[in-house]
Amino acid sequence: KNEVEQSPQNLTAQEGEFITINCSYSVGISALHWLQQHPGGGIVSLFMLSSGKKKHGRLIATINIQEKHSSLHITASHPRDSAVYICAVQDGGTSYGKLTFGQGTILTVHP
Amino acid sequence: DARVTQTPRHKVTEMGQEVTMRCQPILGHNTVFWYRQTMMQGLELLAYFRNRAPLDDSGMPKDRFSAEMPDATLATLKIQPSEPRDSAVYFCATMHRSTYGYTFGSGTRLTVV
Repeated sequence: KNEVEQSPQNLTAQEGEFITINCSYSVGISALHWLQQHPGGGIVSLFMLSSGKKKHGRLIATINIQEKHSSLHITASHPRDSAVYICAVQDGGTSYGKLTFGQGTILTVHP
Repeated sequence: DARVTQTPRHKVTEMGQEVTMRCQPILGHNTVFWYRQTMMQGLELLAYFRNRAPLDDSGMPKDRFSAEMPDATLATLKIQPSEPRDSAVYFCATMHRSTYGYTFGSGTRLTVV
C-alpha cells in the first residue's frame, strides 16, 4: 500500500507570498493528482501529473518520479487560495485509477 | 462543464435506517469510484467499478454497505442499517476512459443520529 505524506500540515501566509506544499510517496505510481477543497465544499482536481511540470495560472506542479516527490507552488498567493490542498497518488497496473490520499495541507492566506 | 451529479447533497437519518446515495457519472467516463471523507481518516476508497463491473469493494464494511451500478448512468451506494460512525461525506468520482482525468462529485454529507 502506498504511503503518502504531505508537508506542511498547516500553512499560513500573507497575501502575495510564494507558497510550496510538498508530497512524497513510497511506491511507484501511474500519476499524481493535486486536489483543492474549500471548507464545506467539493473537491476540484487542479493537476494530474505523470512527469515533469505543469502550470495553470498562478499554480505550478512538479513531480520527480525517481525521488517519488511532488511539489505544488502558488505564486502571488491570494486569500481566495485559502483551502485544503490534497495530494493523491494513482495506482497503475490492473488497479489503475485508484487514489491513495495524503492527509491534506490547510492553507490560510491573510490579506 | 461536464459534472458528476450526486444526490442527495445532505442527509440526516436515524440509526438503523437505510440510506441510498446516487451518482450520475459523466458520459465517457467508464470508471466510477466511491470515496468517504472523515476528519479522522481523511479520504478513503470504498469501492469502484469499471465498465459497470465491480473491481474492488475491499474498503467497504460488507455487512452493511453495498455498491451497485445498474446502468451506465447511475451508481448507488447503500447503507443498511446505518450507524452513527457512518457519518461522513461520501464522494463519487469518475475517470475518463482514455485521458484518465478525474472528476469528483459535490459529495453527500451524511449524518446518522
